[in-house]
Amino acid sequence: GAVVSQHPSWVICKSGTSVKIECRSLDFQATTMFWYRQFPKQSLMLMATSNEGSKATYEQGVEKDKFLINHASLTLSTLTVTSAHPEDSSFYICSARDRAKGNQPQHFGDGTRLSIL
Amino acid sequence: AQTVTQSQPEMSVQEAETVTLSCTYDTSESDYYLFWYKQPPSRQMILVIRQEAYKQQNATENRFSVNFQKAAKSFSLKISDSQLGDAAMYFCAYRDQGAQKLVFGQGTRLTINP
Repeated sequence: GAVVSQHPSWVICKSGTSVKIECRSLDFQATTMFWYRQFPKQSLMLMATSNEGSKATYEQGVEKDKFLINHASLTLSTLTVTSAHPEDSSFYICSARDRAKGNQPQHFGDGTRLSIL
Repeated sequence: AQTVTQSQPEMSVQEAETVTLSCTYDTSESDYYLFWYKQPPSRQMILVIRQEAYKQQNATENRFSVNFQKAAKSFSLKISDSQLGDAAMYFCAYRDQGAQKLVFGQGTRLTINP
């Protein structure tokens, strides 16, 4: 079945650094990828929709300059948390839809646990 | 805007018994999709079952089935013969037919008692 690979799975870094998270569709082409944030014991909150070759669409309240999204190919989207601070610590999950399979469900990556010290 | 509500933050069931998780949603659309996702402690999101709104027949996947009531905007998940591996957070989700993004409910934490 369709596989979405997310890397890294866990990252710890110092406050002020930038962190890049990769989301790859391994066996299908994904015109659209999604980035979610999940706080402990809470639901998934959509941050942005990433479209290949164009600018991402951010949800209300999500800082575009803080969370940079690049979707340069049909199999890779990246989320960069710039100048990360402790409040950015969270679980980040990406998902992707197979462009060849119409209304099939999204396939999720395994998530990235980000801890900012 | 569409909303999804899961009114049960936590549920528990004895192993081998049946449990039903509730989900209601609000939409003005007539064509849409509904999903149940499972998130175990590993935090991987696993699709359990999906339902197309235009289908009257309730979806089933082995021990998992749904009770889809379109007029009432209700989409409950029934788990039969509960197993220890069913313990997880369960999220109900909605998507417009022509849309890309999912709208998630708050989640229900399911505990299976041995």
